[in-house]
Amino acid sequence: EAGVTQFPSHSVIEKGQTVTLRCDPISGHDNLYWYRRVMGKEIKFLLHFVKESKQDESGMPNNRFLAERTGGTYSTLKVQPAELEDSGVYFCASSRPGLAGSNTQYFGPGTRLTVL
Amino acid sequence: AQSVTQLDSQVPVFEEAPVELRCNYSSSVSVYLFWYVQYPNQGLQLLLKYLSGSTLVKGINGFEAEFNKSQTSFHLRKPSVHISDTAEYFCAVSDSLTSGTYKYIFGTGTRLKVLA
Repeated sequence: EAGVTQFPSHSVIEKGQTVTLRCDPISGHDNLYWYRRVMGKEIKFLLHFVKESKQDESGMPNNRFLAERTGGTYSTLKVQPAELEDSGVYFCASSRPGLAGSNTQYFGPGTRLTVL
Repeated sequence: AQSVTQLDSQVPVFEEAPVELRCNYSSSVSVYLFWYVQYPNQGLQLLLKYLSGSTLVKGINGFEAEFNKSQTSFHLRKPSVHISDTAEYFCAVSDSLTSGTYKYIFGTGTRLKVLA
């Protein structure tokens, strides 16, 4: 079974540009989460999809961030326009159908975003 | 709001010595607790989790953790570490109190450096 995959692994962009991160969850996993780790800080929740619906986007920093999950499969996270403080590692995680605290989240390798 | 504290940002230890990585959480309700490990240039991998039952949880690679409700702690231990255990370790709690998303609340991570 393939794990969670993320693309690209690294992205370096100039301030003001647009970047789109992609996450492919484990097949059959309805729950998809985005997290971010800014250097030196903790990993923080951004948002949660159940299939194609946003269940919770309380962690999204501002309206420069747009997440989509068309068809309930892969998800994209777009940052437009990027700012310096958006630099960090963006993790995607997925878990099996249903909502339970016991559901293990499986994480991808992350996308390291650097905004210059 | 729930929070997770990992007091030690870095822990150096000699090979074959025991190690304990500390984690404390704040919650007055039942929680689900997780330890993840991130090896260099890889994603987060689940080490072990506490859901209920026995307070001593065994995980992969010889790690174990003990859930202590009175002290709100979930410390990770290994009796004898190897060079290959060098990695960053994250403690997380599944947040069931808000919005029902069961998003993770992470600590800031502990970098374990095993010395030859």
